[in-house]
Formats: sequence, C-alpha cells, structure tokens
Amino acid sequence: DAGVTQSPTHLIKTRGQQVTLRCSPKSGHDTVSWYQQALGQGPQFIFQYYEEEERQRGNFPDRFSGHQFPNYSSELNVNALLLGDSALYLCASSLVATSSYNEQFFGPGTRLTVL
Amino acid sequence: AQTVTQSQPEMSVQEAETVTLSCTYDTSESDYYLFWYKQPPSRQMILVIRQEAYKQQNATENRFSVNFQKAAKSFSLKISDSQLGDAAMYFCAYRRSGNNDMRFGAGTRLTVKP
Repeated sequence: DAGVTQSPTHLIKTRGQQVTLRCSPKSGHDTVSWYQQALGQGPQFIFQYYEEEERQRGNFPDRFSGHQFPNYSSELNVNALLLGDSALYLCASSLVATSSYNEQFFGPGTRLTVL
Repeated sequence: AQTVTQSQPEMSVQEAETVTLSCTYDTSESDYYLFWYKQPPSRQMILVIRQEAYKQQNATENRFSVNFQKAAKSFSLKISDSQLGDAAMYFCAYRRSGNNDMRFGAGTRLTVKP
C-alpha cells in the first residue's frame, strides 16, 4: 500500500520564478492538504483540496494556488517566489474532508530553496 | 485564534528512561482534537498519538501516553522506556472539530542517549 508521495524531493529556484510541487495521496484517500514548514518551525496550513475544489485556506497570499485532479493527486503552485518561500512543503492526505476526525498521513516533503 | 506552544526547544533522555514533553494551547472551542507528531530526519511526519477533547481518559499507545488537562489547556506527551529510534522532532498540534486547519507548535527536539 503506497503512502503519500511527493515530487520533487529538492528544488532550487530564483526569486520571481514560479514553482509546481506534486503530491499523490495514500491509496483510498480523497483529500489533500498542503503545509509549509519553515526551518526550525512547525508546519503551517496552506490549504486543503477535496472533490477538486479548495475547501479551506490558511493565511497565505494568492501567490499560492493549487489544484486537485480526478485521481485525487494534487499540485501546489507558487508564483513570484520570494526568499521567504524557502521551506519544506508537506502534503498530507486523508479520507473525507468533513468528517469529525480524519487522520492525516504526511508525505516526505519537498525542500524548496529560493535564491 | 488557536495557538500551540511548546516551551522546550530541546530535551534529552537516557535510553530506557522516561521523558515528558510539554505542550499548551489556547482555544475558546470545546470540541477539538490534539495530536503529537514525530518528525525524524527523514522529514516524514508520523502520528504518535491523538486525543479527543471530549474524552476525559488520557490516550495511550504502547510506550506513549498523554496527560490531557482540558481546563489548564495542557497536553503533555510521556515516552516510557525511551529507545534510540525515538530521537526526532516532536510536534504538538491542534485541530478544531470540523475544521481542516491543523495548528502546530514549534517543536521539541528529543535526543536519546545510549
């Protein structure tokens, strides 16, 4: 049973560029959440996708956008990269976005460095 | 706004001993979940234990147990019989029931000495 996978593992970009990160959820899961984890900090919620729609969003600017495909995989896009966007980006999948409790399974993350 | 505070940036424990990691949170909600996640150097967050706020009984998972004090808004993690493989960053997290935004603390780095 494949867990949550993310690609790429590492990425280096320069300021102003755009980046796309990818996530495949755990088999059977239909919901994907994205988190940003800056160095030395805990993860911060970016947004969650369910049924190909953004269901909830954290305190992140519109430069951060996403997409969910019919096969439940997801992409995180960041435009106009800033140095402060350098972080580990974590994807987490779960089953059914609106249940009272749904355990989130995390992927290994993508390390983004903005120069 | 809900916030999660972990006041111990680093902790150390001798192998086979017991260690307690602290966490406090701030919320005005009554229905929520609390979690402890482990993040080893591999970076993958692993759920260690969870607690539903409406349950008075403290959660236990093998060597891991919590001390949940709802009135004090405290949620500590006790690791018994510590093993070398327990060495990792530990994050306390909060999520309101019906909400998808999980709030994490800044983490505690646990070192296990042989």
